[in-house]
Amino acid sequence: EPEVTQTPSHQVTQMGQEVILRCVPISNHLYFYWYRQILGQKVEFLVSFYNNEISEKSEIFDDQFSVERPDGSNFTLKIRSTKLEDSAMYFCASSGGTVNQPQHFGDGTRLSIL
Amino acid sequence: AQSVTQPDIHITVSEGASLELRCNYSYGATPYLFWYVQSPGQGLQLLLKYFSGDTLVQGIKGFEAEFKRSQSSFNLRKPSVHWSDAAEYFCAVGALGGSQGNLIFGKGTKLSVKP
Repeated sequence: EPEVTQTPSHQVTQMGQEVILRCVPISNHLYFYWYRQILGQKVEFLVSFYNNEISEKSEIFDDQFSVERPDGSNFTLKIRSTKLEDSAMYFCASSGGTVNQPQHFGDGTRLSIL
Repeated sequence: AQSVTQPDIHITVSEGASLELRCNYSYGATPYLFWYVQSPGQGLQLLLKYFSGDTLVQGIKGFEAEFKRSQSSFNLRKPSVHWSDAAEYFCAVGALGGSQGNLIFGKGTKLSVKP
């Protein structure tokens, strides 16, 4: 069964540095998402992306964050000037372009900011 | 406001016993409802979804869930729990397909299974 794959599985970064989290969505999917889960809290929506542009974003997704689909397979989340509170598990998800197709999630990237 | 409530933070059941995990939602439109499972160190795996039609939906691994509009609930059930079912379970509400928006998740219920 096709999967969403995320790399790296764990990223450790110094506060203030930039990080890029990478995702390869399922190949025939058209909608892409990022969510995050701070330890002990619920999974929160960050952003959705369709047709090479952001279709929806949450209040969390401020100017510190950006997303990009640099080629036909990758979908990235960039976090600039990281803060301690950015430490979380980040999940990528994708879904098809028709009704009745749910979002499929990757295994996540655990981001630790020191 | 749209929200999902999972009132049980942690549940422990004996292997072979039945299971019911509760989920209540608040959503302005017709909800599309999902249950995801997360094993330690793993991502979110879709167990089942409800979008229309029969209110009792079957999922993978022997799970089922029943949509009750009058109670705004979508409880997850399994008649006989296996040790491998120990994981965290998340209920979510959202839209399906097309220009779907974000999923709203509950806080999750951690399931422990006693031998």
